[in-house]
Amino acid sequence: DAMVIQNPRYQVTQFGKPVTLSCSQTLNHNVMYWYQQKSSQAPKLLFHYYDKDFNNEADTPDNFQSRRPNTSFCFLDIRSPGLGDAAMYLCATSRQQGLGTDTQYFGPGTRLTVL
Amino acid sequence: DAKTTQPNSMESNEEEPVHLPCNHSTISGTDYIHWYRQLPSQGPEYVIHGLTSNVNNRMASLAIAEDRKSSTLILHRATLRDAAVYYCILRDIGLNSGYALNFGKGTSLLVTP
Repeated sequence: DAMVIQNPRYQVTQFGKPVTLSCSQTLNHNVMYWYQQKSSQAPKLLFHYYDKDFNNEADTPDNFQSRRPNTSFCFLDIRSPGLGDAAMYLCATSRQQGLGTDTQYFGPGTRLTVL
Repeated sequence: DAKTTQPNSMESNEEEPVHLPCNHSTISGTDYIHWYRQLPSQGPEYVIHGLTSNVNNRMASLAIAEDRKSSTLILHRATLRDAAVYYCILRDIGLNSGYALNFGKGTSLLVTP
């Protein structure tokens, strides 16, 4: 029944070693989002896709990239993880882009540890 | 953007009703009031949303003040599983809120047996 699936749930990487987190959805939603949530903080949007259109938040570091090969899948690539990138990464989906009545559906998150 | 204010934490006994307040005194006429919650080590979860009238669903009820400057999320019978951080978020009816959910600090609800 899982609607937004994230793999893996826990990921350990080394400082500077590229890492990819994956997200898939069974809702056939147009929009997919990536949020970063550091310890004891609220989630912060990194970027989102509306269909194939990529939208980066102004303050998202260049170290973070994303790919959406099809409607169902979206990937978060961290090119050179630093210690400050250790966080929970949350994938979410919605039917529409930013409308007040729309709901975002979140996955369980991937907790990234950087050694 | 209109801001919301919530208490940092609240405590409730199991099987009792819980009323979680949210103040949004600068709300605009086109802002929807959304509530999400985040259980420990989980992603946020949509709870309910409304515009002017009170709303009910299987998870909770949302009571909106007549002047819309405050709202209350009501959990009718708290269970241990309801222990979470609850976020009150305003979303414009159009695209003026942007794409991100502005989670703010939320209210951490503790439920005791």
